[in-house]
Amino acid sequence: GQQLNQSPQSMFIQEGEDVSMNCTSSSIFNTWLWYKQDPGEGPVLLIALYKAGELTSNGRLTAQFGITRKDSFLNISASIPSDVGIYFCAGLYNTDKLIFGTGTRLQVFP
Amino acid sequence: KAGVTQTPRYLIKTRGQQVTLSCSPISGHRSVSWYQQTPGQGLQFLFEYFSETQRNKGNFPGRFSGRQFSNSRSEMNVSTLELGDSALYLCASFRGRADTQYFGPGTRLTVL
Repeated sequence: GQQLNQSPQSMFIQEGEDVSMNCTSSSIFNTWLWYKQDPGEGPVLLIALYKAGELTSNGRLTAQFGITRKDSFLNISASIPSDVGIYFCAGLYNTDKLIFGTGTRLQVFP
Repeated sequence: KAGVTQTPRYLIKTRGQQVTLSCSPISGHRSVSWYQQTPGQGLQFLFEYFSETQRNKGNFPGRFSGRQFSNSRSEMNVSTLELGDSALYLCASFRGRADTQYFGPGTRLTVL
């Protein structure tokens, strides 16, 4: 099935560090979404981006919709233990069929 | 406002059986999408319903089917289960086209 390229695949960081992950695609999207998933649970929406170039923050999270509409990044500042989980980007283009990234597994050590 | 509800949360079946999963969307949401999540394939789109009509379908065999009721609740059915159908099945609810999708906790299906 179709998936977006997401990197890095996993990250092991110390509490308090900043984190950056990104998503790229060969196709353009009208909407980029970032979700976080905890084990055994469904993805929870973190940030939604609707316009190329848009930069949006949600607390310690900041995400940007790339100008080319083919990429997006998510930054987490001052990481804390509860940031542990798998982060997924997802794109939408003229349909309601979400195309998901491969995920970034984040581990935060105290 | 209550979130997306999925039942059951866990299910164990054997090969050849069939299974029905249920999803109740957020109140006021008329669209429901279903996704399959496996370690190997990640999150893959199954189908989408709006006002009882299937609007989009993913690349899955005909053993996977779904429907939506007039109250927007949705069910998906998998017939003749195979080992590879073991997965977390996620339902997402949203108001309508291009609206943000909110996920339920999922149903973990294990096929033995």
